[in-house]
Amino acid sequence: GEDVEQSLFLSVREGDSSVINCTYTDSSSTYLYWYKQEPGAGLQLLTYIFSNMDMKQDQRLTVLLNKKDKHLSLRIADTQTGDSAIYFCAENNAGNMLTFGGGTRLMVKP
Amino acid sequence: SQTIHQWPATLVQPVGSPLSLECTVEGTSNPNLYWYRQAAGRGLQLLFYSVGIGQISSEVPQNLSASRPQDRQFILSSKKLLLSDSGFYLCAWREGHSQETQYFGPGTRLLVL
Repeated sequence: GEDVEQSLFLSVREGDSSVINCTYTDSSSTYLYWYKQEPGAGLQLLTYIFSNMDMKQDQRLTVLLNKKDKHLSLRIADTQTGDSAIYFCAENNAGNMLTFGGGTRLMVKP
Repeated sequence: SQTIHQWPATLVQPVGSPLSLECTVEGTSNPNLYWYRQAAGRGLQLLFYSVGIGQISSEVPQNLSASRPQDRQFILSSKKLLLSDSGFYLCAWREGHSQETQYFGPGTRLLVL
């Protein structure tokens, strides 16, 4: 079956790095995504990684994929208060549907 | 460039009243369209998806229905709202026949009283 899991909550201090973790179960996933949701808003695509990649870096964001362990992480360097939001990971399964994790609420303290 | 719109942004409706939420996409053709519900700021539940005009697939049995009268229009409806229908409704689109990213609209917050 398909299941994507994330921790519920993460708190960091401004300037520190944040690491948000995600595990998934569908080994046929071809793309894995990270979305950001600010309060009262829709989901904003942050980045995605193709399943044959181990790492992808985009400015302050680094995505690491361990396909053997079905583990995905999002690292945010130099976390800012504007990064406070809920972060969702999602996997794209064989049916071209997205399965979302429950979201991780990131709180950045000044 | 492509854009996705949802309206209304916020809606307060009494129990038992009808519902119609609209989603439109611009700048693309024959997109896959999706309706999600998000309860209490948490995870997303896929409600419906559509790969073409008049083609609707339902993921969960519920009080809601969806229609796609035009290529880039997706409507979420109910004949009689329940309290449990309250939530944040998100529409998303993706290029048809691809595994590309889903892009989300701004959402509609529905409160059923």
